[in-house]
Amino acid sequence: AQSVTQLGSHVSVSEGALVLLRCNYSSSVPPYLFWYVQYPNQGLQLLLKYTTGATLVKGINGFEAEFKKSETSFHLTKPSAHMSDAAEYFCAVSDSAYSGGGADGLTFGKGTHLIIQP
Amino acid sequence: DTEVTQTPKHLVMGMTNKKSLKCEQHMGHRAMYWYKQKAKKPPELMFVYSYEKLSINESVPSRFSPECPNSSLLNLHLHALQPEDSALYLCASSQEGGLIYEQYFGPGTRLTVT
Repeated sequence: AQSVTQLGSHVSVSEGALVLLRCNYSSSVPPYLFWYVQYPNQGLQLLLKYTTGATLVKGINGFEAEFKKSETSFHLTKPSAHMSDAAEYFCAVSDSAYSGGGADGLTFGKGTHLIIQP
Repeated sequence: DTEVTQTPKHLVMGMTNKKSLKCEQHMGHRAMYWYKQKAKKPPELMFVYSYEKLSINESVPSRFSPECPNSSLLNLHLHALQPEDSALYLCASSQEGGLIYEQYFGPGTRLTVT
């Protein structure tokens, strides 16, 4: 089965500072990777995804991520943090190792809670 | 329209009750999913339907019974639940069931079992 590891359960940055959320994947085949954000008491919203092609992926709300095969990483960045970015962020990988076949689910990292200091 | 709707938003039920969670999407997606999310944990996959057929059941107890009446609807029938089943239940859909397709999530149903 494929997996992702998110380094840092909590990350705190000042408003206007660079946001860097780390995600490393473990996969024996080319992975399909996703970043989702979850605001309190809400569902998950897709920020961006990497499937094939360009390794620098741009997403919504000014976020981007770079797929680095040599480092097995897919870190999420944003140049300037905003108070509204405070939320839980999940890195996820499509995993075909689930039972039954025919469709695939997502395997999520444990999440990183992003705190924005005023 | 990239919306997945879930009803109810909140549900409190006793251990002997029978209730159902409902999920709906009108994006023409052919794969739908149920995830369970405990507090401060990531979502965990429960079931996957692909073209209205159950394709994945991640060893979920039989007190959870999924149903896909048509390509737009997904239900989760609940019976004789335990307090540890209290969680946020998330529904998601994707264009197809393959690895490449992103999943769109609903807002979830917050379930409390008393």
